[in-house]
Amino acid sequence: DADVTQTPRNRITKTGKRIMLECSQTKGHDRMYWYRQDPGLGLRLIYYSFDVKDINKGEISDGYSVSRQAQAKFSLSLESAIPNQTALYFCATSDRDTSTDTQYFGPGTRLTVL
Amino acid sequence: AQKITQTQPGMFVQEKEAVTLDCTYDTSDQSYGLFWYKQPSSGEMIFLIYQGSYDEQNATEGRYSLNFQKARKSANLVISASQLGDSAMYFCAMRRSNQGGKLIFGQGTELSVKP
Repeated sequence: DADVTQTPRNRITKTGKRIMLECSQTKGHDRMYWYRQDPGLGLRLIYYSFDVKDINKGEISDGYSVSRQAQAKFSLSLESAIPNQTALYFCATSDRDTSTDTQYFGPGTRLTVL
Repeated sequence: AQKITQTQPGMFVQEKEAVTLDCTYDTSDQSYGLFWYKQPSSGEMIFLIYQGSYDEQNATEGRYSLNFQKARKSANLVISASQLGDSAMYFCAMRRSNQGGKLIFGQGTELSVKP
């Protein structure tokens, strides 16, 4: 089984709909992240959480919210989806107790907003 | 502001040859980490290699090595003996040590390995 899972893997929705992307991990890591990837722009950080009670905005948080339900679960919500939120979304995790704090990514969720 | 630059949008390499993917970074920090990730056409992001700013030796992981030139602020990825399965997008990323785990990514280089 994959260490970092994301659901759904693909989603098509309409403008104005609320949508939630979910991330779960079995790596036992304390830190979790949400990134967005657009063609030609690399990945950009939306939100990150260093533990259950710690939530921080990233580079592009407008239009998004997150919930850290448990150490292993971190959800990303789009309250009212718009077409320019069409992108590939990645969840990642890392362990602060390692010297490298390397991030390991889930398989991604491809979101299309019509 | 911190920035990662990958100047090669696309590259070709012959199978079994070595290839270097360029990455330059801009930071005034003394402590930082540099990463390379591979993204095959299936979409997942795969961690390849890490270099810390205080590491004196260049990092190596199997066929991957990182040519770290701190004064020039470059962290080029070298793939030896290219394989067809190496065809993918490659991303360079940087983490500032005083900003936890947040990564700043470059725009990527698409590598195509020819048989």
